[in-house]
Amino acid sequence: QQQVKQSPQSLIVQKGGISIINCAYENTAFDYFPWYQQFPGKGPALLIAIRPDVSEKKEGRFTISFNKSAKQFSLHIMDSQPGDSATYFCAASMWDTDKLIFGTGTRLQVFP
Amino acid sequence: EPEVTQTPSHQVTQMGQEVILRCVPISNHLYFYWYRQILGQKVEFLVSFYNNEISEKSEIFDDQFSVERPDGSNFTLKIRSTKLEDSAMYFCASSEARGTGVMGTEAFFGQGTRLTVV
Repeated sequence: QQQVKQSPQSLIVQKGGISIINCAYENTAFDYFPWYQQFPGKGPALLIAIRPDVSEKKEGRFTISFNKSAKQFSLHIMDSQPGDSATYFCAASMWDTDKLIFGTGTRLQVFP
Repeated sequence: EPEVTQTPSHQVTQMGQEVILRCVPISNHLYFYWYRQILGQKVEFLVSFYNNEISEKSEIFDDQFSVERPDGSNFTLKIRSTKLEDSAMYFCASSEARGTGVMGTEAFFGQGTRLTVV
């Protein structure tokens, strides 16, 4: 019940295309859903986050779509660029805990 | 831009040896964390630390592990007797307040220490 399931494991997208990564969770007590971006040799860095009181959040080319009833959320990267090539992790947490529960990660490759 | 720094970047140790991984969190942050990532797997929470004591720990964080804030700037993770399965990337993180949930303050991660146990 503490898991966050992420798919796909890897994704290849042409430059300018849309990258979509999906996550699903079981625990309805989760109330914070961040996405982290990790480049090789670096730590995860917060990209964008959403709370369950909104269905969508957009920051530049990055959008989170959140479906509370389906317990799913997804990251959309519009106009994908080679510089977006990285591993993306979804995560979830609850108000009364310190920890982030991460998904298994998606390795995104954007080809020119 | 302030950042979390970790040393060393790579540590190789023999099975059974003690290792100490070091972190310098962002200076005005109050909450500190250790996560680990076994190669090819997800990032897993180990422990959180606040006000000089453990706030929360996972099942992974057994008696072999300990954390300490020996001075005003460093935050360390000690593994007493390393096992082969401790080989992983260890990430330190810090946040101004509790890094998640209702406060929603961002947890900033260091670049990691790759621990290889041989």
